[in-house]
Amino acid sequence: AQTVTQSQPEMSVQEAETVTLSCTYDTSESDYYLFWYKQPPSRQMILVIRQEAYKQQNATENRFSVNFQKAAKSFSLKISDSQLGDAAMYFCAYRTPANFGNEKLTFGTGTRLTIIP
Amino acid sequence: DGGITQSPKYLFRKEGQNVTLSCEQNLNHDAMYWYRQDPGQGLRLIYYSQIVNDFQKGDIAEGYSVSREKKESFPLTVTSAQKNPTAFYLCASSIQGRNEKLFFGSGTQLSVL
Repeated sequence: AQTVTQSQPEMSVQEAETVTLSCTYDTSESDYYLFWYKQPPSRQMILVIRQEAYKQQNATENRFSVNFQKAAKSFSLKISDSQLGDAAMYFCAYRTPANFGNEKLTFGTGTRLTIIP
Repeated sequence: DGGITQSPKYLFRKEGQNVTLSCEQNLNHDAMYWYRQDPGQGLRLIYYSQIVNDFQKGDIAEGYSVSREKKESFPLTVTSAQKNPTAFYLCASSIQGRNEKLFFGSGTQLSVL
């Protein structure tokens, strides 16, 4: 079974600085998808960024970027120019290819990010 | 606006009682999911459905039941067999596709009286 591990239960960063959240996963598949979701205090799950395993180029979305190391099964999230609104729980997630009957998202336990003004 | 609606926002269950959490989507998505969130444990998959009248168990299906009679609706029943039902429940949906993201509802907090 696939597992997703987030080894940092809590992180903090000074406003305007850069922070990196770690995620590792275990799978025997070669084709899969990885996601970072943000959960603010409202508890609404918001997609931050996604990466397709067959793409070597790291995904970026404005201030958010990933460092995808397929051989190491590592998928870290870098947040640049941190803002107060970035304070949230961040979940790393793994998804198998969308084969019928095999489509589900597996989540890590999350990292709580605090932004220090 | 299109989206996923979960109701109620807060729900209380008495001992031995079954309760049903509602999840409705108007996004025309084929796939729908139920996740349970406990503090420090992330999200765990309870049930999912990729087509009307069909659904599969997730990792923690015991004590729960679902139905998918309509494409837009995927209600979750927490039965009396679920001994520790206190948790935050999230419903999600997605288009069938290789890398389609999940859209989430705003969740239901279930507590035991």
